[in-house]
Amino acid sequence: DAGITQSPRHKVTETGTPVTLRCHQTENHRYMYWYRQDPGHGLRLIHYSYGVKDTDKGEVSDGYSVSRSKTEDFLLTLESATSSQTSVYFCAISAPDRGSYEQYFGPGTRLTVT
Amino acid sequence: AQKVTQAQTEISVVEKEDVTLDCVYETRDTTYYLFWYKQPPSGELVFLIRRNSFDEQNEISGRYSWNFQKSTSSFNFTITASQVVDSAVYFCALSEARGGATNKLIFGTGTLLAVQP
Repeated sequence: DAGITQSPRHKVTETGTPVTLRCHQTENHRYMYWYRQDPGHGLRLIHYSYGVKDTDKGEVSDGYSVSRSKTEDFLLTLESATSSQTSVYFCAISAPDRGSYEQYFGPGTRLTVT
Repeated sequence: AQKVTQAQTEISVVEKEDVTLDCVYETRDTTYYLFWYKQPPSGELVFLIRRNSFDEQNEISGRYSWNFQKSTSSFNFTITASQVVDSAVYFCALSEARGGATNKLIFGTGTLLAVQP
């Protein structure tokens, strides 16, 4: 199994509070991604990173920011959580620069915004 | 724009039946990758297979087989002699493969497969 961990695994927070989710990898993969999973939508890309300090927006980036100060860590921040951000969040890694195009996913974080 | 359609929302079969999960994709890229992932009730996402757009050879892995047809833009997944442990949500996904591409995945909405004993 790819070495990907996410923390916390579960979180309940109130509307309007900031929340940070952490993804940590031990595979030294250059690319990291944050997705959210919602019923009827599959997984949708929020933000991704193609290197330290190199990030870009995905399909559903509004209300989210990311940071990557080290190869192994990719942080997702909800600036001011809203109920529409209640979801399961998955981090993924890949190494297309090394010819490895499949993405490997972390265990997920279930976030509830009340 | 890229798009993946999994028209079957839910499928229910009895153990030992064969079942095919459909996946239809849209892309303007001439080079791309297709994937299948499994999400069991425990919630993790498990990578099953990657197929390159320039390789239309079908693949078999044990009870699993994949049929890739560029002419119909389909990448279907068949489970032979299904088992209860196959019960899961299955996702089909597509990514670009141009040089310098960021490998972003576009997912279908998933098919829930329930295998009854």
